[in-house]
Amino acid sequence: TQLLEQSPQFLSIQEGENLTVYCNSSSVFSSLQWYRQEPGEGPVLLVTVVTGGEVKKLKRLTFQFGDARKDSSLHITAAQPGDTGLYLCAGAHAGGTSYGKLTFGQGTILTVHP
Amino acid sequence: NAGVTQTPKFRILKIGQSMTLQCAQDMNHNYMYWYRQDPGMGLKLIYYSVGAGITDKGEVPNGYNVSRSTTEDFPLRLELAAPSQTSVYFCASSYPQGPGYTFGSGTRLTVV
Repeated sequence: TQLLEQSPQFLSIQEGENLTVYCNSSSVFSSLQWYRQEPGEGPVLLVTVVTGGEVKKLKRLTFQFGDARKDSSLHITAAQPGDTGLYLCAGAHAGGTSYGKLTFGQGTILTVHP
Repeated sequence: NAGVTQTPKFRILKIGQSMTLQCAQDMNHNYMYWYRQDPGMGLKLIYYSVGAGITDKGEVPNGYNVSRSTTEDFPLRLELAAPSQTSVYFCASSYPQGPGYTFGSGTRLTVV
């Protein structure tokens, strides 16, 4: 079983602060996806990173895939109350019968106070 | 513009009862999945399917069953419900090459 350790589990910050969420594994993934989930809804895909060392930006969110494709980070600059939610990282298994399946981290509950 | 539709939204079952959670997608995705989400545990894969007539077990399949007779539908069957099956269930779909999943809005199931 491939595991993804996500940290921190909880993050409570003030509006305007910066934050980073980490996703680590001892396994290699073909891609790493980040999702955001709001209460009562399903997760929504934010980004997929595929290449080792890849960096993607989505407005104030910056996603990075580790060089060895075992870890990833999500950095939010100047957080806003609208960023509040559950953030999930998910690693895609590569090849064979595992293709398409995702292993999810435990999630980070982010609360941004006005 | 429906995406992935799950029904029901909420359900309370008594121990030993059975039910089927419905999932339908209109994006012509080949792959479909069932996950359960428990607090602090992320999402665990129950079953998945790579196409009509093809299903396989995920990480936590015990107590569940699935079928995939069409590309659009992927129902999840709970036989003999147990309190350990109290959870939020999500259905998702994707293309084989990604870029990621489209999730339904979930079914919150309580077994009492």
